[in-house]
Amino acid sequence: AQSVTQLGSHVSVSEGALVLLRCNYSSSVPPYLFWYVQYPNQGLQLLLKYTTGATLVKGINGFEAEFKKSETSFHLTKPSAHMSDAAEYFCAVSEGKSGGSNYKLTFGKGTLLTVNP
Amino acid sequence: DGGITQSPKYLFRKEGQNVTLSCEQNLNHDAMYWYRQDPGQGLRLIYYSQIVNDFQKGDIAEGYSVSREKKESFPLTVTSAQKNPTAFYLCASSRIGVGGNTGELFFGEGSRLTVL
Repeated sequence: AQSVTQLGSHVSVSEGALVLLRCNYSSSVPPYLFWYVQYPNQGLQLLLKYTTGATLVKGINGFEAEFKKSETSFHLTKPSAHMSDAAEYFCAVSEGKSGGSNYKLTFGKGTLLTVNP
Repeated sequence: DGGITQSPKYLFRKEGQNVTLSCEQNLNHDAMYWYRQDPGQGLRLIYYSQIVNDFQKGDIAEGYSVSREKKESFPLTVTSAQKNPTAFYLCASSRIGVGGNTGELFFGEGSRLTVL
């Protein structure tokens, strides 16, 4: 079974500071990994995803994440936080069945990012 | 523009009443999902469907029911058997291709249900 752990339910940074949101996963097969962002009372929007190939993945709004198989991690970073980055962030893992016809996402519990002026 | 439409956005219900949440997509996606979101608990899968007239229980299906009569529609009924229905409900969809898909989900804006 797959699972996702997000370290820190709440992260607070100053505007312009580095953003680091941590995600560790467990999966019995090579995973597909995702980061989603959610603004208050809205649905989730995909930030970035790792499927295969380059382990450093760039997403929208200046975010990037690196897949580290040896550490089973997929941490999300952004060099300089902006006030508009304040939101909740979810890490998710997908594990495909053979034939590739059924993929279910398992989500972490989320990390609320606060950006202070 | 293609997307997923959930309605209503806010809904109030008295205890003992069933309520149905609507989810419609025009992305031509085969798979559709319902998630429940509670503060600090992330998203939990209620039901999902990969094809018309077929659906499977997720992790927390008790007290919920769904139907998939059309490819673009996947309504969720919260029944009176659901002990704690107050939550934010999210509908999502994804492609299922010949080579499978990555599991990437496209989400609606959500429906917030409050039981009085």
